Amino acid sequence: NAGVMQNPRHLVRRRGQEARLRCSPVKGHSHVYWYRQLPEEGLKFMVYLQKENIIDESGMPKERFSAEFPKEGPSILRIQQVVRGDSAAYFCASSLSGPDNSPLHFGNGTRLTVT
Amino acid sequence: SQKIEQNSEALNIQEGKTATLTCNYTNYSPAYLQWYRQDPGRGPVFLLLIRENEKEKRKERLKVTFDTTLKQSLFHITASQPADSATYLCALVVTDGNKLVFGAGTILRVKS
Repeated sequence: NAGVMQNPRHLVRRRGQEARLRCSPVKGHSHVYWYRQLPEEGLKFMVYLQKENIIDESGMPKERFSAEFPKEGPSILRIQQVVRGDSAAYFCASSLSGPDNSPLHFGNGTRLTVT
Repeated sequence: SQKIEQNSEALNIQEGKTATLTCNYTNYSPAYLQWYRQDPGRGPVFLLLIRENEKEKRKERLKVTFDTTLKQSLFHITASQPADSATYLCALVVTDGNKLVFGAGTILRVKS
């Protein structure tokens, strides 16, 4: 069984461009989460989605960031007009049921570098 | 404010010894707590989950305790091996059940 697949693994964008990060959850998982990790720092929660619905986006900046998890296809984290401070590793995770009931399966992340 | 605190300094131990990592939390009332392992350049990998009514849980060389009075979890690796070297993260679900919040992690280095 394939785990969580994220692509691309590395993404370089110039300031002002858009970044699109993709995440395919474990087959059968309908709960998806996005986290951001800066060097030497912990994982920071961004958003929790469940097929076509945003459940909790309390960790996501109000501007320039958006996330979706359509009925068909991968979850997408979109960052518009990137700035240097957006450079980080972005991890996606999925679970069979909600976070209060099952462990998270993580992908290996997308490392975004903004030049 | 709510906090999850893990040993900020790296833990260096000799192969064969028991490693003990600490996770303290403030202003949370988690129903359960999880531990993950993260290797450089990789995503976290789930290790163990312990519920509030469980004092201790074991899996092979791993043992986790959960003291809701002290608001603390201890994570033990017995007979440690160099391959156990990694960052270990504790995590808990916030009250509304909508997100898993992580500590900053503790780096463990096991030397042969």
